[in-house]
Amino acid sequence: AQKVTQAQTEISVVEKEDVTLDCVYETRDTTYYLFWYKQPPSGELVFLIRRNSFDEQNEISGRYSWNFQKSTSSFNFTITASQVVDSAVYFCALSEGRTGNQFYFGTGTSLTVIP
Amino acid sequence: NAGVTQTPKFQVLKTGQSMTLQCAQDMNHEYMSWYRQDPGMGLRLIHYSVGAGITDQGEVPNGYNVSRSTTEDFPLRLLSAAPSQTSVYFCASRGGRRSSYNEQFFGPGTRLTVL
Repeated sequence: AQKVTQAQTEISVVEKEDVTLDCVYETRDTTYYLFWYKQPPSGELVFLIRRNSFDEQNEISGRYSWNFQKSTSSFNFTITASQVVDSAVYFCALSEGRTGNQFYFGTGTSLTVIP
Repeated sequence: NAGVTQTPKFQVLKTGQSMTLQCAQDMNHEYMSWYRQDPGMGLRLIHYSVGAGITDQGEVPNGYNVSRSTTEDFPLRLLSAAPSQTSVYFCASRGGRRSSYNEQFFGPGTRLTVL
């Protein structure tokens, strides 16, 4: 079974629209970590955020915000006022347990922002 | 710091050939890992290492060997390449006392084609 599910394969939005990327995870551990990475067309992987299982506070960083809800096992990512530079593939990832040696990625959501 | 470096960037092999993908990091990170990225599959963990002399299998280890003789280097070996190993390979590292909390830093990737 997929430990990290990103049901949205591709999303297209018009510039300046808001967009939310969904991430649902599955784990039996009480200690775990969640991450979002961005992969622009150039191919590198860029770290965006991490969240541990004991911290359900939402976080905002500029136009980016993240909503972590343990009750629904979700860690959604919202981009406000999207820009063309936001076009990329976004991956949600899960690291389980205190060591976090096994790291699971979702299949990614490809976001296209149309000017 | 160069971060995580990978060589080569591109490689074409014939079925049955062997080769080693090189990965090095200069951040004194204990944890290093190898992933493969395939369309629609996200990134999948092949092997990882929590320190020199210690390696373990990830989600898709078959067909790949690793060793970790130094903290800096973590090569990935394909002993007999198969077309199913055509993929983009990423090396990553992370460090810190609470290493499970820390994000992974990724190399630029190696695009491998097996004919």
